[in-house]
Amino acid sequence: RKEVEQDPGPFNVPEGATVAFNCTYSNSASQSFFWYRQDCRKEPKLLMSVYSSGNEDGRFTAQLNRASQYISLLIRDSKLSDSATYLCVVNQGTGGFKTIFGAGTRLFVKA
Amino acid sequence: DTAVSQTPKYLVTQMGNDKSIKCEQNLGHDTMYWYKQDSKKFLKIMFSYNNKELIINETVPNRFSPKSPDKAHLNLHINSLELGDSAVYFCASSQTQGSEKLFFGSGTQLSVL
Repeated sequence: RKEVEQDPGPFNVPEGATVAFNCTYSNSASQSFFWYRQDCRKEPKLLMSVYSSGNEDGRFTAQLNRASQYISLLIRDSKLSDSATYLCVVNQGTGGFKTIFGAGTRLFVKA
Repeated sequence: DTAVSQTPKYLVTQMGNDKSIKCEQNLGHDTMYWYKQDSKKFLKIMFSYNNKELIINETVPNRFSPKSPDKAHLNLHINSLELGDSAVYFCASSQTQGSEKLFFGSGTQLSVL
């Protein structure tokens, strides 16, 4: 089982749609969780951290369920500029902090 | 000013050659990393340095040797390049180990012919 697994994608949605990405992680000792965004041929950039209580940043909502080892990202009112690959990221604290990236889910938002 | 800069942006070379990629960060961060992103876009950590000391060394061939002359620089030297080394290599930094935010360089596209 991969350490971090994401929906395979790609997701093709119209502008204005709501889209949800799911992610699971295998190491129950994982300590912190994030969503990164990567545009085509660019470097990954932090989108938001994910907290147990859930957190929101504008149109983006992230949720964490530690019991199920599950993370989600909800994007409301999709914009064309949201088209990118969304990477689920987990920090493991064993043997030196290690940041593990999921393979990413590609999102295409169409006009 | 670019926060994390790596050079070169593109590197095309023949099998068997030796090449280096340089990385510098001007953020005052303690921790630097090298990641490899293969053709399937899977981003995998290779090395992590904290204050010039090697912290993480994943299962990477000995042909890959990182060097950190000071905490602002982390270079990657690759000996005897192979076809399978073709990928995008990203340098990154974070304030400390396990810090929330990783700052990435713009990547080096390595093509081994």
